[in-house]
Amino acid sequence: NAGVTQTPKFQVLKTGQSMTLQCAQDMNHEYMSWYRQDPGMGLRLIHYSVGAGITDQGEVPNGYNVSRSTTEDFPLRLLSAAPSQTSVYFCASSYQTGPNTGELFFGEGSRLTVL
Amino acid sequence: GQQLNQSPQSMFIQEGEDVSMNCTSSSIFNTWLWYKQDPGEGPVLLIALYKAGELTSNGRLTAQFGITRKDSFLNISASIPSDVGIYFCAGPTFSGTYKYIFGTGTRLKVLA
Repeated sequence: NAGVTQTPKFQVLKTGQSMTLQCAQDMNHEYMSWYRQDPGMGLRLIHYSVGAGITDQGEVPNGYNVSRSTTEDFPLRLLSAAPSQTSVYFCASSYQTGPNTGELFFGEGSRLTVL
Repeated sequence: GQQLNQSPQSMFIQEGEDVSMNCTSSSIFNTWLWYKQDPGEGPVLLIALYKAGELTSNGRLTAQFGITRKDSFLNISASIPSDVGIYFCAGPTFSGTYKYIFGTGTRLKVLA
């Protein structure tokens, strides 16, 4: 059971380049999300999805796009990378969300550097 | 937007000491989650709390769901070097749909 798989683990981009961070889960989780982690800033929610075909913005969505065409996959797209997007990105999933929700499972992270 | 504030931001303690940290919110939560992140890895769930006043243990870790529903506490007893890491509180918030938000984290360093 692979859990939450993120690729790539490391990536260096030049300003203005585009790329996609991939996230896949094999647990049939409805909820998937992307966070970025910067020193001293904790985990900030970028975008999330409560099911296939449904996405919504988190706290810091600017500069990122997402789509959810299948339950398993939730890619994060950077259309025109900026140095401010240098960060560690985490994908996380949960069986469902609600007021009494359960565990959020994380991938190992993708470290992105934008020069 | 909603924020979860954690304190302290960081702490250095001696091995064997007890550790206390807390998480506060400006609004009510119905679930509190505590995670630990080891260097270079993703966060891992330590304890989940679902009821105001609830006290739950996981080995040397004990967490409490504050009775106001706006705070939660995590205690680590008899700390050991492998307790080093960042501890995050988290919970689901509602804005049309539920989503998880995280606190800013408490960085723990244990001196042997």
